[in-house]
Amino acid sequence: GIQVEQSPPDLILQEGANSTLRCNFSDSVNNLQWFHQNPWGQLINLFYIPSGTKQNGRLSATTVATERYSLLYISSSQTTDSGVYFCAVELANRDDKIIFGKGTRLHILP
Amino acid sequence: SQTIHQWPATLVQPVGSPLSLECTVEGTSNPNLYWYRQAAGRGLQLLFYSVGIGQISSEVPQNLSASRPQDRQFILSSKKLLLSDSGFYLCAWSNRVGEQYFGPGTRLTVT
Repeated sequence: GIQVEQSPPDLILQEGANSTLRCNFSDSVNNLQWFHQNPWGQLINLFYIPSGTKQNGRLSATTVATERYSLLYISSSQTTDSGVYFCAVELANRDDKIIFGKGTRLHILP
Repeated sequence: SQTIHQWPATLVQPVGSPLSLECTVEGTSNPNLYWYRQAAGRGLQLLFYSVGIGQISSEVPQNLSASRPQDRQFILSSKKLLLSDSGFYLCAWSNRVGEQYFGPGTRLTVT
């Protein structure tokens, strides 16, 4: 089946630093989402980005579907950015199944 | 706007007891619905998904089952809980383009 791999698995940064999280997928997909899971477990939608680039404040994302990867950029990190970041893809065979990567755990130090 | 509800928020149940977790969605019709489990660590495991009333696809053979009695209601059940069923259960819905939204989750501890 399709593989969704996220890197790095863990990342510790000082407040104010920038970071890039990567999501590679092994097959054609219809869409891709990035989520942030906060310390209380809530999964928050960051981007719905099947292709191209989007920006929302200090966060931006780029998906290059033809090369099967997506990047999430976080600039000027804040402690509230801590948590786990997931990417999730919907398979191109349209069976409505959404597959998650294992996540990147980000810890921002004050 | 759409909202998704899950209850209960937390649950402690003894081994061998039954389980019923409920998820409802408001503000949309005919959504795709999903149940995920997140065990220790961070991965989300897809358990069930549904594209319509009475239509359930199971991803992992186990002692859990799901039902969709109404368009915007998704229920996760078990007749007899195992210790390994402990975890964080998340319900989600997606629109026709596949954009997915999650509920607040139910934290289940089986003792």
